[in-house]
Amino acid sequence: AQKITQTQPGMFVQEKEAVTLDCTYDTSDPSYGLFWYKQPSSGEMIFLIYQGSYDQQNATEGRYSLNFQKARKSANLVISASQLGDSAMYFCAMREPSKTSYDKVIFGPGTSLSVIP
Amino acid sequence: KAGVTQTPRYLIKTRGQQVTLSCSPISGHRSVSWYQQTPGQGLQFLFEYFSETQRNKGNFPGRFSGRQFSNSRSEMNVSTLELGDSALYLCASSPPPRRGAGETQYFGPGTRLLVL
Repeated sequence: AQKITQTQPGMFVQEKEAVTLDCTYDTSDPSYGLFWYKQPSSGEMIFLIYQGSYDQQNATEGRYSLNFQKARKSANLVISASQLGDSAMYFCAMREPSKTSYDKVIFGPGTSLSVIP
Repeated sequence: KAGVTQTPRYLIKTRGQQVTLSCSPISGHRSVSWYQQTPGQGLQFLFEYFSETQRNKGNFPGRFSGRQFSNSRSEMNVSTLELGDSALYLCASSPPPRRGAGETQYFGPGTRLLVL
């Protein structure tokens, strides 16, 4: 079963506009963590933002914010004021802790974002 | 502060050989995680080490192993290489958790392994 779904394989956004990248997840565990990563064409991986399932507020890091809707199991990434350098692949990931074994870390397939001047 | 370094950056091996990849975390970081990225399987978590102990492990065969040294440097080893092991191997280090702050990871540039 697909645990992390990113329904948008590719997206375009105009420079300086805001964009939302979708991520839905599936877990029955009340405790989990959600991550977003950025991977430009150069291949380097950049950690963007983290949201814990018990965090009361949506995580924010500069122009990045995570729209966390727990009941809908949704963790969308919002990038405000898009810049050309935001063009990259974006991955959503989840970690489910385990008391008896190892935590599970699962990645989504990614969304390719292209920022248009 | 120096970033996460990974060596070598590129590597070509043949089937059946073994390979060792190295990752040096940012100074002061004791947690090191490894990931594999392939076009077919996407990003997958390999393992995480903290203070020389494997704290977490993904769903990979026993041919994939790792370790962490007392200086937090980590190595991963793949024995009996298969064509499907061709991938970008990424290492990330994490700082000690701070109260009220979320998790953070810093990635190295990756090692591109090609198995022929």
